[in-house]
Amino acid sequence: GQNIDQPTEMTATEGAIVQINCTYQTSGFNGLFWYQQHAGEAPTFLSYNVLDGLEEKGRFSSFLSRSKGYSYLLLKELQMKDSASYLCAVADSNYQLIWGAGTKLIIKP
Amino acid sequence: SAVISQKPSRDICQRGTSLTIQCQVDSQVTMMFWYRQQPGQSLTLIATANQGSEATYESGFVIDKFPISRPNLTFSTLTVSNMSPEDSSIYLCSALPREGREQYFGPGTRLTVT
Repeated sequence: GQNIDQPTEMTATEGAIVQINCTYQTSGFNGLFWYQQHAGEAPTFLSYNVLDGLEEKGRFSSFLSRSKGYSYLLLKELQMKDSASYLCAVADSNYQLIWGAGTKLIIKP
Repeated sequence: SAVISQKPSRDICQRGTSLTIQCQVDSQVTMMFWYRQQPGQSLTLIATANQGSEATYESGFVIDKFPISRPNLTFSTLTVSNMSPEDSSIYLCSALPREGREQYFGPGTRLTVT
């Protein structure tokens, strides 16, 4: 079957760094996506990885290891507005997105 | 990128009735999708809306319950038929632009069935 695992909830302190992990088992792989979703709002695209390695975009970075079926989203210099759910999704062999359950990130002052 | 609007933004409906949700994209897109999201949970794909042909439904979702139309490359509708309280959820439309790789989402429709 197809499966994506990520922690249900994480807590971090404003100004700190947090790493949200995602492991996956899918039928085929055509890239991994991270989305941010604030409560009551639609998901917004954060990053895309299809090759192994680290992609950096401002305070956010995303890492992929295809051999390990593993990715993480790294958030630096955390701000209160980063409190949100972070969704990991994998495009399978048909380019259909398989979604993780999401990680709720709580930022404390 | 793509900007997506949905109507209505929310509705409260009675059991046994139907609601049609509209999704409009500001540009022509390759694919459009309909998702359901329960509070605090992740996204569940209902179907892929195909332009000019029948939608492709995921396991657990059927056309009689969730009829979908996509008359052109910028517009789609999802109908939730014969509603029950279990259909209470947020329904999201998304689109994949022609030259894009990531999906863009509409603001969602919050449906409550009483």
